[in-house]
Amino acid sequence: NAGVTQTPKFRILKIGQSMTLQCAQDMNHNYMYWYRQDPGMGLKLIYYSVGAGITDKGEVPNGYNVSRSTTEDFPLRLELAAPSQTSVYFCASSGQGGGNTEAFFGQGTRLTVV
Amino acid sequence: AQSVTQLGSHVSVSEGALVLLRCNYSSSVPPYLFWYVQYPNQGLQLLLKYTSAATLVKGINGFEAEFKKSETSFHLTKPSAHMSDAAEYFCAVLGGGFKTIFGAGTRLFVKA
Repeated sequence: NAGVTQTPKFRILKIGQSMTLQCAQDMNHNYMYWYRQDPGMGLKLIYYSVGAGITDKGEVPNGYNVSRSTTEDFPLRLELAAPSQTSVYFCASSGQGGGNTEAFFGQGTRLTVV
Repeated sequence: AQSVTQLGSHVSVSEGALVLLRCNYSSSVPPYLFWYVQYPNQGLQLLLKYTSAATLVKGINGFEAEFKKSETSFHLTKPSAHMSDAAEYFCAVLGGGFKTIFGAGTRLFVKA
């Protein structure tokens, strides 16, 4: 039972480079999310998706893009990396809705932009 | 709009002592509330959730939380702390569009 799988686990980028953080879930969840976690700031929602083909901005979307071509995959794209994007990124998914909508998290991607 | 506030970014207790982590919520509708735990270098995992079935909710690892509507609180407790409980704990509420909104987190330290 893989749950939510994120790759890579660690990455160092140079300023201006681009990369894609991969996220896949095998629980047939409709809802998927990308959060970033900075020390003392909790988790901030970057983008989310309520189903294949549907995405929307969260609290901190600037500098990121997403796509959702399948139910399983929800990649996060950084086009022009900046030092402010140094963070730990978590992908999560949740079920259809209601009280059982707890989020299942991946192990995180630690990104450093230098 | 829904939100949560966690009181205290750091809490330190002795092994065997009571653990109390505070969370207050704001919601215009009956809330769904959660506590998650994050161990070092890991993702978050669910400790417990409140879905209006019972005000006292029991979770994993001996933790429980009580929903108090009059106080808009959902504090997390454990009668006796173990060294293995040292982690960061997040209170969360289900917001509009089924987005989970997290508090800033409370880091729990357990002293031997």
